[in-house]
Amino acid sequence: KQEVTQIPAALSVPEGENLVLNCSFTDSAIYNLQWFRQDPGKGLTSLLLIQSSQREQTSGRLNASLDKSSGRSTLYIAASQPGDSATYLCAVRTSNTGKLIFGQGTTLQVKP
Amino acid sequence: EAEVAQSPRYKITEKSQAVAFWCDPISGHATLYWYRQILGQGPELLVQFQDESVVDDSQLPKDRFSAERLKGVDSTLKIQPAELGDSAMYLCASSFLRAETQYFGPGTRLLVL
Repeated sequence: KQEVTQIPAALSVPEGENLVLNCSFTDSAIYNLQWFRQDPGKGLTSLLLIQSSQREQTSGRLNASLDKSSGRSTLYIAASQPGDSATYLCAVRTSNTGKLIFGQGTTLQVKP
Repeated sequence: EAEVAQSPRYKITEKSQAVAFWCDPISGHATLYWYRQILGQGPELLVQFQDESVVDDSQLPKDRFSAERLKGVDSTLKIQPAELGDSAMYLCASSFLRAETQYFGPGTRLLVL
């Protein structure tokens, strides 16, 4: 059974710092992996999707990497801003059926 | 920009009552998902539709939950009777193809008293 873990559960950093959020999964046979952002009490916003054949994806200040063999993905946020404060969730898709299996998320606070 | 619509945004009900949530996916998206998210946890899939057909409802508590997508467009998730443990955020998502990016609605926050 695929399990997704995100460490740490919470992170607080000063504005301007570069940071890395971690995601690990137990079964390396994934179809793709998606990173989301969730603001308190709101729905999820898709940030990046990495296909199993890809090593990384970039969007603005965000860079997500994927190492299938080790069962790990990282989300790198450059020059963090207070507006980046949110919960970040990673989710893996184990086949092309569409079902996503989520981690519990990392809650990020960026202090001015 | 097209968005997934959900209503109501908030619902307070007493246990043993019936509740219903509505979702309208992005136009043209054939795949629709209902997730439940308990506070502090990641979302968990309840049911997945491909057009009007259910393709995965393995985690749906079928004794009290039901879902339908009669015309393959909008969808309704129902709980009857509601229990205290059903208090959670119910999220709807849609995608053009099954394995592509899923777009989420704002969710319905349910509180069962």
